[in-house]
Amino acid sequence: AQSVTQLGSHVSVSEGALVLLRCNYSSSVPPYLFWYVQYPNQGLQLLLKYTSAATLVKGINGFEAEFKKSETSFHLTKPSAHMSDAAEYFCAVSVTGNQFYFGTGTSLTVIP
Amino acid sequence: GAVVSQHPSWVICKSGTSVKIECRSLDFQATTMFWYRQFPKQSLMLMATSNEGSKATYEQGVEKDKFLINHASLTLSTLTVTSAHPEDSSFYICSATSGAGTDTQYFGPGTRLTVL
Repeated sequence: AQSVTQLGSHVSVSEGALVLLRCNYSSSVPPYLFWYVQYPNQGLQLLLKYTSAATLVKGINGFEAEFKKSETSFHLTKPSAHMSDAAEYFCAVSVTGNQFYFGTGTSLTVIP
Repeated sequence: GAVVSQHPSWVICKSGTSVKIECRSLDFQATTMFWYRQFPKQSLMLMATSNEGSKATYEQGVEKDKFLINHASLTLSTLTVTSAHPEDSSFYICSATSGAGTDTQYFGPGTRLTVL
């Protein structure tokens, strides 16, 4: 079975500071890993995905994530937070590429 | 590309009535569509997976007779909440993939259902 754990349901950073959102996964086979962002009352937008190619994945809006098999992690980072980054972020794991299992989400607050 | 729409975006209904939510892939053929439910401040819970032309596969604990899913074409899936009750109030989100083994799901904007 696959699962995802997101440590920290709420993260606050100052504008311009580093953003680090943590995601650890559990999977018996090599997984696909994803980060999605959700703004209030909207659907999910794909930020980036790992599909067994390069372990450092660059996404939209300056976000990137590194797949670390030894740590079973896929943490999301951005060097400098912007006010518009405030949103809910979800990490997801998939094995087949079809069924996704989502983490509980991390709410990012950016402080001016 | 890869746009998924949902209709309606917001619906309010009386307890006991049925509500149909549509999910459409606008610029690609979606062989597989998924329906999720999201409670406030919580994650997405997969309700069911539907493949075009076949019966939906429901996740454990999801009542198939209450949440009717139809995937009649490659661009349209519908979720009907039958005999809705206040506890069915939630944010329903659909997603779609364009083929078996395709690694990305594209999500619709969601439908907010409020049952009075």
